[in-house]
Amino acid sequence: SQTIHQWPATLVQPVGSPLSLECTVEGTSNPNLYWYRQAAGRGLQLLFYSVGIGQISSEVPQNLSASRPQDRQFILSSKKLLLSDSGFYLCAWSVQSGGVSPLHFGNGTRLTVT
Amino acid sequence: GESVGLHLPTLSVQEGDNSIINCAYSNSASDYFIWYKQESGKGPQFIIDIRSNMDKRQGQRVTVLLNKTVKHLSLQIAATQPGDSAVYFCAEKGGGGSNYKLTFGKGTLLTVNP
Repeated sequence: SQTIHQWPATLVQPVGSPLSLECTVEGTSNPNLYWYRQAAGRGLQLLFYSVGIGQISSEVPQNLSASRPQDRQFILSSKKLLLSDSGFYLCAWSVQSGGVSPLHFGNGTRLTVT
Repeated sequence: GESVGLHLPTLSVQEGDNSIINCAYSNSASDYFIWYKQESGKGPQFIIDIRSNMDKRQGQRVTVLLNKTVKHLSLQIAATQPGDSAVYFCAEKGGGGSNYKLTFGKGTLLTVNP
């Protein structure tokens, strides 16, 4: 069966520090990968998605970047964190096919920028 | 722009009762819908999905109904249990293209009273 891992589960970082959140998927090949942010009382906002190694699409302008160095690894980064980067970050994967399939989420990283 | 919303932000039911969580969508071209359950501190968990060529789909204790005429989606949970307490999200995919462009509702908090 497929599994998705995100770490760390929680993170407290000072303003201006760098960020690296990692996500890996097991049990599937060539998945679509996604980074979402969830703000309290709001829906999920798509930040980045990837259909293959080195292929990253950004949905919103922001202080963050994403990379996909391996087929099942997705990394969310920042060079200098802002207070507004605080939030709950979720990685997800889906089957890459011609049809539709649901997204499957990890358990998220709670980021607090102080 | 297009949006997915929920009629009720909170729902409180007695254990053993049936629960109905509603969702309205505005994009008449949406062709795929998903329900997720999110427990506190965790990522959204896939429950059930439905394509626009169907109006009903059943899973274990859950049923999703789709009314394309009024652009309404509902999730029915039979014999609700305390473990069903969570936030429930609906998500839609606009017609055409890949499934990365999901739009999520803000969620309904379901509380099951023992």
